[in-house]
Order: sequence, then structure tokens, then C-alpha cells
Amino acid sequence: EVQLVESGGGLIQPGGSLRLSCAASGFTVSSDYMSWVRQAPGKGLEWVSLIYSGGNTYYADSVKGRFTISRDNSKNTVYLEMNTLRAEDTAVYYCSRRGNGGRAFDLWGQGTLVIVSS
Amino acid sequence: DIQMTQSPSSVSASVGDRVTITCRASQGISSWLAWYQQKPGKAPKLLIYAASSLQRGVPSRFSGSGSGTDFTLTISSLQPEDFATYYCQQANSFPYTFGQGTKLDTK
Repeated sequence: EVQLVESGGGLIQPGGSLRLSCAASGFTVSSDYMSWVRQAPGKGLEWVSLIYSGGNTYYADSVKGRFTISRDNSKNTVYLEMNTLRAEDTAVYYCSRRGNGGRAFDLWGQGTLVIVSS
Repeated sequence: DIQMTQSPSSVSASVGDRVTITCRASQGISSWLAWYQQKPGKAPKLLIYAASSLQRGVPSRFSGSGSGTDFTLTISSLQPEDFATYYCQQANSFPYTFGQGTKLDTK
């Protein structure tokens, strides 16, 4: 079955660090473009980051310099390393795959909740 | 950054109605536009990619049109399972951006 499963969310204090994981099955993350999208409570969707199959990475201005997207091909897993967390980073973080058609996100995980609070 | 503006922000409709949602980009994005449906507590679901291509498995009552800066999502005959929030998203350039969402609820 083709799916994405996120993990690693939780409650973290402001200024802290957290690493989210996204385990893929049914396809190979190194062959696809993988992304993170977040959604603050009661708010809309916000694109966070993307990693190309070739390894190039892109970030939203709001997380640039604080978040790092990476992948482990041997584990078929994508990561989001989040540092210097702020209250405004509180959100459900979704892992997604950018499909071949139209650069759209055709596969999504169930999401993992990150709460940044003291 | 490219701003995506959806209208309306919310709409009330009945089963069987035809519903149209619009999305405007602050600059031209060719046809690099997608539409998603999201239900409470669930991940978004891709409906339309490349402005007008129907994602596999999505009912044909959903359709998309437009190019450049103005786009529309149309539901030809609303079904009970279509009540949800809809988002557009541009993939013309980084950073990718989403519209603010349109909540479709029952009249």
C-alpha cells in the first residue's frame, strides 16, 4: 500500500528542537519530491519545505534557517529537523509527495501535532 | 511571494446545487494550480492538478478551469460528502502558497 506515516510530534518549549519523521511505503522517497505542509489550529494550510529527488531543498521564509528537510534513502524516510521553535510553529505537520502531474501533492500522511508552549 | 486569494471564504449550498469557487493569483502562474478538499481532522485530498486535470479516483462532478491568474473549481451537483473546506495552491514558484480556504456547508 502506498502511504506516508508521520511521527515525532509533541509538546516542546519555545526555543527547543524537534525532529519529525515521515516513513514512506509503496514507493521510493529518493525518486520523488517530498514536502512538509503545516496547519495551525483552526487555520489554513501553509507550505513549509520541499526536497527534490536530486537533493535540492526549499523553504518557506517563516522557517528558513531554523528548519531542515532531509531524507534517509535506506529507511525510505523523510525528516524535518525543527530548531529554535516558536509558539507560531504550533501546528499539525503533514508529510506529502509531489506527484508527477502538475506539481501537486497527491499523497498525504495523517499528520503529527507539534505544540510549542511553556 | 505569490498571494492566492479565494472567494468566497464560505458558501452555503444544498445537495444537488452547482457550486463555484474562485482563486486568484497575485501574478501569473500558468496552469500550475491545484485544488484540495479537506474534512475536519483529516489530511487534504487532491482533487484537481494542472488547473483542470482530474485526479484519479475523484468524481467527475468536480472540474477545474483557468490559467494565468484566475481559476475556478466547480462542483456540478453537490453531494452530501462534498461539504468540506477547499483550498487552491500554486506551484509555479517557491515558496508554494495556498489560498485561505473556502468552507462549504449545508444551507
